[in-house]
Amino acid sequence: KAGVTQTPRYLIKTRGQQVTLSCSPISGHRSVSWYQQTPGQGLQFLFEYFSETQRNKGNFPGRFSGRQFSNSRSEMNVSTLELGDSALYLCASSLAGTGPGYTFGSGTRLTVV
Amino acid sequence: AQRVTQPEKLLSVFKGAPVELKCNYSYSGSPELFWYVQYSRQRLQLLLRHISRESIKGFTADLNKGETSFHLKKPFAQEEDSAMYYCALSYNQGGKLIFGQGTELSVKP
Repeated sequence: KAGVTQTPRYLIKTRGQQVTLSCSPISGHRSVSWYQQTPGQGLQFLFEYFSETQRNKGNFPGRFSGRQFSNSRSEMNVSTLELGDSALYLCASSLAGTGPGYTFGSGTRLTVV
Repeated sequence: AQRVTQPEKLLSVFKGAPVELKCNYSYSGSPELFWYVQYSRQRLQLLLRHISRESIKGFTADLNKGETSFHLKKPFAQEEDSAMYYCALSYNQGGKLIFGQGTELSVKP
């Protein structure tokens, strides 16, 4: 079966712009989580969606937002980009998000210049 | 606050030697602990969950609630084990994983 698909793989944006990243979970998976990975801070949880509802949120500013559609696909949006937002953004999906065996995507590498 | 600590950034061993990657956590309740692995140029993948108590690729990990540890062990390291290893904790429903900083394992021939 197809894995978790994230698009685009690479993205370069300018400070102040906004960006939207997409994640298609494994078919049948209803929970989608997003993580930011940087060399300094490691892997940090952004938020989790289950059945189109945000169920959990990490400690990120309101510039980071997300949503989930009825087909479980998810998007995350970052507005007013800052240099520090440069990171690898990972998406992970699971059946229900409980006791996760989460499957991760390959990530979107965002560079803010 | 919940936290996962992996004290070693880099662990280098020779092929055939035993390996132990350390993981300590702070959480007062009953967490779920995981080990994830990321091989070079590959995506992050689940290696072990403490509740399944299984051995994957020769790796085992035992949850020690008294010492709040979940160390990953393998008796005989192989070169193909070289990768980044992340310990992670989940403490509620809602898909939130708290990751340690990761340990890079390098197995030399």
